[in-house]
Amino acid sequence: QTVVTQEPSLTVSPGGTVTLTCASSTGAVTSGYFPNWFQQKPGQAPRALIYSTSNKHSWTPARFSGSLIGGKAALTLSGVQPEDEAEYYCLLYYYGGQLVFGGGTKLTVL
Amino acid sequence: QITLKESGPALVKPTQTLTLTCTFSGFSLSTSGVGVGWIRQPPGKALEWLALIYWNDDKRYSPSLKSRLTITKDTSKNQVVLTMTTMDPVDTATYYCAHRESDYKLFDYWGQGTLVTVSS
Repeated sequence: QTVVTQEPSLTVSPGGTVTLTCASSTGAVTSGYFPNWFQQKPGQAPRALIYSTSNKHSWTPARFSGSLIGGKAALTLSGVQPEDEAEYYCLLYYYGGQLVFGGGTKLTVL
Repeated sequence: QITLKESGPALVKPTQTLTLTCTFSGFSLSTSGVGVGWIRQPPGKALEWLALIYWNDDKRYSPSLKSRLTITKDTSKNQVVLTMTTMDPVDTATYYCAHRESDYKLFDYWGQGTLVTVSS
């Protein structure tokens, strides 16, 4: 069974920069996995942030960016705001149309 | 404006079959490339992808749940239905449906979710 791994939790200071990563048990994550990133706040449905590694939706704040780093998908927040405190999930596309979410990263802004 | 809304029972008994309906607007499931997926989230846990149906009626299921899931669409009604058999308390979760634009632009729009509790 394919497992997608994220950091369970990260803490960042307001105004700081933090990078969340997303790894696949099958090996290096490439652009062909079309990494998508989502933000979820308590009691709310997830909100899409990034698609296909680095593309932003029209509503995604400029401080969010996506990339590939060291064989993993990455989500970087620059100039973190208090409202960025949330759970973040990555989603990978596997050959044949299977989709797997990561376990989520709880981001604390402190 | 794309919107989706899930509906179904809030409570089901163990061994029963769950039927959830996703009613959407702002797009057509007959448009090439478009799909609708189902995702669930047990209380306090991570998101889990369940199933996806494409505009051409192609379907994909989570391997771990494939034997229990069926996804169908009614294009004329703008609805997608998910059935899950043999419900168990571990299936207690919020169930979401979401719009898929393409293989690389996944789940850009989500419903509000519906909480399903499995209990006798």
